[in-house]
Amino acid sequence: GAGVSQSPSNKVTEKGKDVELRCDPISGHTALYWYRQRLGQGLEFLIYFQGNSAPDKSGLPSDRFSAERTGESVSTLTIQRTQQEDSAVYLCASSLVRGADTQYFGPGTRLTVL
Amino acid sequence: QKEVEQNSGPLSVPEGAIASLNCTYSDRVSQSFFWYRQYSGKSPELIMSIYSNGDKEDGRFTAQLNKASQYVSLLIRDSQPSDSATYLCAAGGGSYIPTFGRGTSLIVHP
Repeated sequence: GAGVSQSPSNKVTEKGKDVELRCDPISGHTALYWYRQRLGQGLEFLIYFQGNSAPDKSGLPSDRFSAERTGESVSTLTIQRTQQEDSAVYLCASSLVRGADTQYFGPGTRLTVL
Repeated sequence: QKEVEQNSGPLSVPEGAIASLNCTYSDRVSQSFFWYRQYSGKSPELIMSIYSNGDKEDGRFTAQLNKASQYVSLLIRDSQPSDSATYLCAAGGGSYIPTFGRGTSLIVHP
């Protein structure tokens, strides 16, 4: 596609439920990043995928968070047993090669945990 | 710990003025620097990238990089109300994960 796409655009869930967020990067982009942005705050790095290498999970805040990516295609971020503090916008970005390159952001998924 | 520091603002300038946004970074091995604009409720979009010391101009925007001082700036000439947004500075190349600042809020008032 022309840009990074994410789905759903909005997700409202109840505390304790699991949610799955999807990111479809720009075709040909080998690097993919997930960020969290709480209201009025900066970008919080979560996880980084580069091609078929092992992902950098150093930003995941707890073991309730996990992400997968198959090759250089779609990625899913899963949050298990959601908590109210998980409410945020989850942004996905892709870049052609790696961190020194321009990142292109998707529109984000706004997650609200009631 | 790698850090990118920005004044959170808000920076308020009148329409038509020059807005100057500043950023410092801590990782000396950073090679690439980016300015993103983020409108309220939207995702960041790239405004400028700069890799070499000096100035880089693109329309009304000029990015300035001084690696010796670890300083990056963005000048917006002839500021318009539509430029009102949060501007994020990012440094990359020291690792695979770019470091973002928390952003400076810019308000351009008519």
